[in-house]
Amino acid sequence: QKEVEQDPGPLSVPEGAIVSLNCTYSNSAFQYFMWYRQYSRKGPELLMYTYSSGNKEDGRFTAQVDKSSKYISLFIRDSQPSDSATYLCAMSAPGNEKLTFGTGTRLTIIP
Amino acid sequence: DSGVTQTPKHLITATGQRVTLRCSPRSGDLSVYWYQQSLDQGLQFLIQYYNGEERAKGNILERFSAQQFPDLHSELNLSSLELGDSALYFCASSVGGGNYGYTFGSGTRLTVV
Repeated sequence: QKEVEQDPGPLSVPEGAIVSLNCTYSNSAFQYFMWYRQYSRKGPELLMYTYSSGNKEDGRFTAQVDKSSKYISLFIRDSQPSDSATYLCAMSAPGNEKLTFGTGTRLTIIP
Repeated sequence: DSGVTQTPKHLITATGQRVTLRCSPRSGDLSVYWYQQSLDQGLQFLIQYYNGEERAKGNILERFSAQQFPDLHSELNLSSLELGDSALYFCASSVGGGNYGYTFGSGTRLTVV
């Protein structure tokens, strides 16, 4: 079993919809949680960062962490065609700077 | 442009050969990380350097080695290449604590034929 599980999709939604992306994990030591966006043939780009449990909002993006369920989510409101990309969750434990990534969810926003 | 520079962007080489991938971190970043991204495995951590010293090692093959130079640029050496080594290799950098996320370069696409 992988430490981090992520539904690979693909996920297609119409423009303007709310998108929900999720990851589950098994390592209870993880405290730092991130979402990266990766466009085709580009490197991953840090989108959101959250420490421990709770919510964080940045514009149209909201990240949620539920440590009791070992479940993290990324919500995208008012989705745009430019949001079409692969979204990767990543996490790490204190004292260990290695990031463990999910396999990514490919998202397409249909105009 | 993320500020992390990787060269070359593409590399095609034969099995058994050796290649060197180069990475220049963002100005001021002391940590460099190398990751391999393949279709079936996703992003896998290879190795981390901090200010010239190896700090952490992942599932890096013995055929692979890396170093970070005094000017903080890093090189990843891959030898005795096999078909299965074909992948995207990413370098990333951070100021110090990578727990807050790091900045990735655009990667080197390696094809072994």
